[in-house]
Amino acid sequence: GAGVSQTPSNKVTEKGKYVELRCDPISGHTALYWYRQSLGQGPEFLIYFQGTGAADDSGLPNDRFFAVRPEGSVSTLKIQRTERGDSAVYLCASRSPGQPTPLHFGNGTRLTVT
Amino acid sequence: QKEVEQNSGPLSVPEGAIASLNCTYSDRGSQSFFWYRQYSGKSPELIMFIYSNGDKEDGRFTAQLNKASQYVSLLIRDSQPSDSATYLCAVIPSGNTPLVFGKGTRLSVIA
Repeated sequence: GAGVSQTPSNKVTEKGKYVELRCDPISGHTALYWYRQSLGQGPEFLIYFQGTGAADDSGLPNDRFFAVRPEGSVSTLKIQRTERGDSAVYLCASRSPGQPTPLHFGNGTRLTVT
Repeated sequence: QKEVEQNSGPLSVPEGAIASLNCTYSDRGSQSFFWYRQYSGKSPELIMFIYSNGDKEDGRFTAQLNKASQYVSLLIRDSQPSDSATYLCAVIPSGNTPLVFGKGTRLSVIA
């Protein structure tokens, strides 16, 4: 596709449930990033992939959060035992090879934990 | 902690005026600087990036970088109501670490 695609656009789940958020980056972009944005805040880094491997997962808040990118393209962010504090917009971004190049963001997934 | 600081605003300017948005960063080794615009309920959209000291102009937008002062700014000339949005400053710190964002400055252009 032309841009970064994220699904679903909205997700409402109950506390304690498991959710998966999907990101399809721009074709040819080897680097993929997940950020989380709460109301009134800037995006907060979660994890970054270069190809299939997680190059930096230092932003994941705890072990309930996990992300994969098995074939170096689509990525899935997985959240176990969701808590109300996980409610936020989850943004995926990708970047073309080379340094430094800008991040291009998807439209985000708005996660609401009730 | 590598931080990016912005005044949250709101910054209100009349239509046609120059809007000046400012950002400071803590990591002196930072090399790459970006400005994103974010409309309410939408994702961040890249406006400009700057890597070298000085000014970089693109249409009505000018990014200014002063590495000695660890300061980057965005000027918007001839501001329009459609420029009303939150402007996010973002920095790639030293060590090739991922992009760090400020909290954003909310700009309101009054017609």
